[in-house]
Amino acid sequence: DVKVTQSSRYLVKRTGEKVFLECVQDMDHENMFWYRQDPGLGLRLIYFSYDVKMKEKGDIPEGYSVSREKKERFSLILESASTNQTSMYLCASSSWATGRTYFGPGTRLLVL
Amino acid sequence: GENVEQHPSTLSVQEGDSAVIKCTYSDSASNYFPWYKQELGKGPQLIIDIRSNVGEKKDQRIAVTLNKTAKHFSLHITETQPEDSAVYFCAASKGDSSYKLIFGSGTRLLVRP
Repeated sequence: DVKVTQSSRYLVKRTGEKVFLECVQDMDHENMFWYRQDPGLGLRLIYFSYDVKMKEKGDIPEGYSVSREKKERFSLILESASTNQTSMYLCASSSWATGRTYFGPGTRLLVL
Repeated sequence: GENVEQHPSTLSVQEGDSAVIKCTYSDSASNYFPWYKQELGKGPQLIIDIRSNVGEKKDQRIAVTLNKTAKHFSLHITETQPEDSAVYFCAASKGDSSYKLIFGSGTRLLVRP
């Protein structure tokens, strides 16, 4: 079974803090994604990566950066957390061959 | 860019009845259409997908149909059970190597026992 794991299920941070969200997949997938999910707004793509050290902006990259130093790991960084970044963050991965995208359990982030 | 619209936003059915959720997409280049089920507090789970060279696909009680001409695709759940209650999302992708997905807004399905 494909497994996508995220480092934390719940996080509480203060405004201005630097926040790291980590994601690991065990299926040797080339593509990895970060989405955020908000009520009424659905799932919105923040960043994605199609290979190690490669990254592309999604629809809402402002206030975020990413890092992919190893194929299995994709990190989302909030350089200076703000209250409007309170959300559910979902990591996903897929292969070039099938495109089937699998999600992790999500990290619910609260910024106070 | 691609836009995916999903209807209805909420759907309540009696256990044993069928449920149908519909999506439309705007980009005729889209060729891959997955459906996800998300239970409370969990990440979305891929339940079925269809590619544009196929008109229909079935897996036990769930089926997906695709009408490329009208740019519609639908999820059909037959003999619904209470455990089918969840939020369902459709998505579309151009199927290039990144398989970047554009999601619909979701349908909250409630199956009444």
